Amino acid sequence: GAGVSQSPRYKVAKRGQDVALRCDPISGHVSLFWYQQALGQGPEFLTYFQNEAQLDKSGLPSDRFFAERPEGSVSTLKIQRTQQEDSAVYLCASSFDRGLNTEAFFGQGTRLTVV
Amino acid sequence: QKEVEQDPGPLSVPEGAIVSLNCTYSNSAFQYFMWYRQYSRKGPELLMYTYSSGNKEDGRFTAQVDKSSKYISLFIRDSQPSDSATYLCAMRKGLTGGGNKLTFGTGTQLKVEL
Repeated sequence: GAGVSQSPRYKVAKRGQDVALRCDPISGHVSLFWYQQALGQGPEFLTYFQNEAQLDKSGLPSDRFFAERPEGSVSTLKIQRTQQEDSAVYLCASSFDRGLNTEAFFGQGTRLTVV
Repeated sequence: QKEVEQDPGPLSVPEGAIVSLNCTYSNSAFQYFMWYRQYSRKGPELLMYTYSSGNKEDGRFTAQVDKSSKYISLFIRDSQPSDSATYLCAMRKGLTGGGNKLTFGTGTQLKVEL
């Protein structure tokens, strides 16, 4: 596709429910990042993939958060037993990472509301 | 204390004004500096990208980096209502791998009024 695609755009979950958020990066992009953006705040790093390898998950706030990118393309961020504090916009970004071509392109995000 | 500090605003200016947006940072490991624009309910889009201290100009936008003071700025000349958005400063330590992850400021909400 032309850009990074995320689905769903909006998700309402009841507290305790599991959710899965999908990211389709730009074709050929090696790096994929997940960020969490709370209301009125800047995005905060969650995790990073280089192809299928998850090289950095230092930003995941708890073991309820899990991300995967099994074939080095599409990625899924899963949140188990959602809590109200998980309400935020979840942004995915991808970058080519060859030579000087390292610009990260962001998707529109998934707005998660936990009620 | 956050690694990157940015005044959240909101900042309201009349059309045609020069806008100055700023961030300070505490970690000298940051080497690459970016400004992103984020419209409501959209993802951030890259506006400016700089590496070294100094100025970089692109149309109505000028980015400044002062590594000795750990201070970066974005200037917008002849501001337009379409510039109304949240402006996020971001920085990273490397070009590839884990160094590529971005650390963002809080974002400054800008409104340009007719």
